[in-house]
Amino acid sequence: DQQVKQNSPSLSVQEGRISILNCDYTNSMFDYFLWYKKYPAEGPTFLISISSIKDKNEDGRFTVFLNKSAKHLSLHIVPSQPGDSAVYFCAASAIYSGYALNFGKGTSLLVTP
Amino acid sequence: NAGVMQNPRHLVRRRGQEARLRCSPMKGHSHVYWYRQLPEEGLKFMVYLQKENIIDESGMPKERFSAEFPKEGPSILRIQQVVRGDSAAYFCASSPRRGEKLFFGSGTQLSVL
Repeated sequence: DQQVKQNSPSLSVQEGRISILNCDYTNSMFDYFLWYKKYPAEGPTFLISISSIKDKNEDGRFTVFLNKSAKHLSLHIVPSQPGDSAVYFCAASAIYSGYALNFGKGTSLLVTP
Repeated sequence: NAGVMQNPRHLVRRRGQEARLRCSPMKGHSHVYWYRQLPEEGLKFMVYLQKENIIDESGMPKERFSAEFPKEGPSILRIQQVVRGDSAAYFCASSPRRGEKLFFGSGTQLSVL
């Protein structure tokens, strides 16, 4: 059963515009959420995280928003750059699982010049 | 300051053979996680180990798969009598403490002929 869902397999955005990647989860025990970025033939690299006690976390061009009542989080990238083109994975974890991450299937972002 | 090191990068095995995948965590990290990524899928948690102990193996198939993280040396994911369905990218990740973000290796691509 997929506890973390990324319903958009792909997204195309023009350079300079905002990219919004969405993620939904079903397990209310999740208390820590992360976004990872992955290039082909490489491992995922950590991008940004948020704990369940917050509703927003910002790091440079990247902002993650968490809506616990809707069990939804989103990643905003602004302004988008061609180098941001990659697959983005949403992940969630809970203390009871030792913080093993549950990943979504990923959204492939293409930023065009 | 090397990151998480996985070897080999590519491993080809015939059906029925054994596959051994190695992972050296980042220096100072004692928590190791193994994930598997099938084509068009997200990363699926397999097992979480902390030096010499298996903490959570809920994602590991019950048969043919085993993992260890000895006091000295790398973590090993072992797949006995491989089948074609085992073909996937296997990623190892490490963290310094439970509940902190994971750092991933570049993965081992296993191909079963």
